[in-house]
Amino acid sequence: EAQVTQNPRYLITVTGKKLTVTCSQNMNHEYMSWYRQDPGLGLRQIYYSMNVEVTDKGDVPEGYKVSRKEKRNFPLILESPSPNQTSLYFCASSYRHGAYEQYFGPGTRLTVT
Amino acid sequence: AQSVAQPEDQVNVAEGNPLTVKCTYSVSGNPYLFWYVQYPNRGLQFLLKYITGDNLVKGSYGFEAEFNKSQTSFHLKKPSALVSDSALYFCAVRPDTGRRALTFGSGTRLQVQP
Repeated sequence: EAQVTQNPRYLITVTGKKLTVTCSQNMNHEYMSWYRQDPGLGLRQIYYSMNVEVTDKGDVPEGYKVSRKEKRNFPLILESPSPNQTSLYFCASSYRHGAYEQYFGPGTRLTVT
Repeated sequence: AQSVAQPEDQVNVAEGNPLTVKCTYSVSGNPYLFWYVQYPNRGLQFLLKYITGDNLVKGSYGFEAEFNKSQTSFHLKKPSALVSDSALYFCAVRPDTGRRALTFGSGTRLQVQP
């Protein structure tokens, strides 16, 4: 089954404790992206990757890191989480950037206390 | 800068009635326009897109959308609403050139009453 998986689905952590949210897709897609969803703000892009070893900042990259060492994986790293990073996070992938629809993972709800 | 406006936080409609969820956009150049739906505790699912060509686009689950360039709108429509259509709907836009990402609207909650 074609899908995007994320882990963990739920995470409660404390300020400053490094964490990684994994994302994996099995569709051989070139383009991958991370979004955060906050009430009333829709989805905002954090980082994206056009292909392996090619990543770039989205609209809200502060406090986040990513890497794309393999085509299927695109982990999101929070080196020192803060309470304002409490949010619902989605990973998405598409065949390529541009006119192609994105496939979304199930989401990771992160709470930073 | 590109932007999307979904002017209604919530739309209420009775089952069997037609529904419209509004979206207007701003983008440099020609737009790629998308509609996504989000059911509770799920990720977003693609419904339909406008790339070029016919202004009326048909998508999944009986939904359609009309691209209106002069009004910079891309309203989502369905002739007969189902209770199972109740969900959160997002409109998104990006320009047809360059590396700009998708910009999403703030979402419209559709509530279909039995």
